[in-house]
Order: sequence, then structure tokens, then C-alpha cells
Amino acid sequence: DAKTTQPNSMESNEEEPVHLPCNHSTISGTDYIHWYRQLPSQGPEYVIHGLTSNVNNRMASLAIAEDRKSSTLILHRATLRDAAVYYCILSPSNTGNQFYFGTGTSLTVIP
Amino acid sequence: NAGVTQTPKFQVLKTGQSMTLQCAQDMNHEYMSWYRQDPGMGLRLIHYSVGAGITDQGEVPNGYNVSRSTTEDFPLRLLSAAPSQTSVYFCASSPSPGSGQPQHFGDGTRLSIL
Repeated sequence: DAKTTQPNSMESNEEEPVHLPCNHSTISGTDYIHWYRQLPSQGPEYVIHGLTSNVNNRMASLAIAEDRKSSTLILHRATLRDAAVYYCILSPSNTGNQFYFGTGTSLTVIP
Repeated sequence: NAGVTQTPKFQVLKTGQSMTLQCAQDMNHEYMSWYRQDPGMGLRLIHYSVGAGITDQGEVPNGYNVSRSTTEDFPLRLLSAAPSQTSVYFCASSPSPGSGQPQHFGDGTRLSIL
């Protein structure tokens, strides 16, 4: 199983950038790195994904280390609505797109 | 734009009862999956399907059955409910296996077994 390691919790002040780290030392060459977030009482919501290069979208940026053994989700300006559990997940292409979730990082945004 | 629809949203069962959780998607996605989420935990994969007529087990398949007769529907059956199956169940879909494309999740079914 492709596993990831994330801190259990992090805090950020509102309107400041947030860097959420993820280690995935067992990543293989064809594994995609996905990030999801889960708001209270809701299903997981897709945030961003990438393979090798850094990625940007309207929600966040994904910085992938050169050796691909770690990645960082960057929220450029945290808002109260960004308070959620963030999951970093590897999508192994050789096992049919199975996602294995860890416990994620619980992000608290301080007003 | 319905996406992934799960029914019911809430359900209470007695130990030993059976029931089916429904999941439907209208995006013509090949891949569908079921997860359970216990309080304070991440999601664990129960069963998944890479296309109509094809299903396979995930991390925690015991006590659950699935079938995939159509692309749109992927029901999850609890054969004989046990208190340990009290959880929130999420269904998800994505375009095709191994594509790296993101999964779309439903809003969940909150199931309590007494």
C-alpha cells in the first residue's frame, strides 16, 4: 500500500499563507500525488494533484520535491472556510486508482 | 449537476438486519468505490469497481457485498449489520482506473447499528 505521513494538526492565522507538508518516501515513478480536504460533516473535496511538476489552481499550489518523496500543499491566504482536514494521498496507477487515506492534517485557522 | 448521489443520508438499524446503501453517478465514470470513516479517522476503502461487472476488495471488505451491473450504480450491501459497522459511508467515482484523475465524493450515509 502506498502510504503518506502528515502532521496531525496545524494552525494558521487568517489571511496568511499555509504550508501543509506530506512525506511519501515509498512513492513509485507512476504514482500521482493527490490532495483532498474534508470539511466537517461533508465528503472529501478534491483540491489539487500532480505527478512531477509543481501545480497551481484556483484553490492552492502543490510543490513536489525533486526526488518526489515529499510534497507541500500551499494555501496562499488562509480563510476561515479553509479550516478542514487535509489528506495527502498517493494514487498508484498500477493498482487501478485505489486511494488509501491516512488520518490527514487538521488545519485550524485563527481569526 | 448531480455528481455522486448517495441514499439514504441517515439510517438506524438493529443488529442482524440487512440493508443496501445506494450510490449513483451521472458522469459516466468507470471507477467507483466505497469507503467508511469512523470518528476521528481517515477513510478506509471497502470495495471498488473498475467498470461494470468488475468488483474487487479494498482494505476492510468483511461484512459487505457489492455489485456493478451498470456504469451508473454501485450499491453496497450489509449482509447482517453489526455495531462495529456504525460509521459514515462515502461513495466516490473517477473517470478511469490508473488515470490519476481526482475522485468525486458523495455527501455520505450516516449509519448507526444498535
